[in-house]
Amino acid sequence: NAGVTQTPKFRVLKTGQSMTLLCAQDMNHEYMYWYRQDPGMGLRLIHYSVGEGTTAKGEVPDGYNVSRLKKQNFLLGLESAAPSQTSVYFCASSYMQGASGYTFGSGTRLTVV
Amino acid sequence: AQSVAQPEDQVNVAEGNPLTVKCTYSVSGNPYLFWYVQYPNRGLQFLLKYITGDNLVKGSYGFEAEFNKSQTSFHLKKPSALVSDSALYFCAVRDSGANNLFFGTGTRLTVIP
Repeated sequence: NAGVTQTPKFRVLKTGQSMTLLCAQDMNHEYMYWYRQDPGMGLRLIHYSVGEGTTAKGEVPDGYNVSRLKKQNFLLGLESAAPSQTSVYFCASSYMQGASGYTFGSGTRLTVV
Repeated sequence: AQSVAQPEDQVNVAEGNPLTVKCTYSVSGNPYLFWYVQYPNRGLQFLLKYITGDNLVKGSYGFEAEFNKSQTSFHLKKPSALVSDSALYFCAVRDSGANNLFFGTGTRLTVIP
């Protein structure tokens, strides 16, 4: 049972380039989330999805887009990368809202130069 | 609105001594409270949660947390610290009507041999 898998694990982008981060879960979870982790700021929610075909904005959505075409996959896109998007990105999933906690992926370390 | 405060960025404790990592929260409804641990270059791992019932919750690796409604706190504790407990700890809260967890900024625990 793989849980939550994120690809790639590391990436360096030049300012203005685009990329897509992939998150895949094999637990049949309805909810999926993208967070970014920055020193001293904890985890901040970028976008989330409450089911296949749905997406919603979190705390810091600007500069990012997401898609959930299949229940098991949640994609995070950066259209035009900026140095401020240098961060560690975590995907998470949960079975349902409320009492369920999250299962996290191992993260993607992104550097924008 | 939901929020979490972890007032200490860093906690140092000697091996074998008891440890406490503090967390206070604010929600408009009933809180669901969680503790996660992050080891270097890894994703977050679930430690324990409070949903309802007994105020003292026991979790993984000998950790426990006490829910205090009047003080709106959910402090993480362990009777005897191990060097291997050194990591970054995150408290998180979910309002019973919310779709996502809200994380604190994290507390770095260092256990000194």
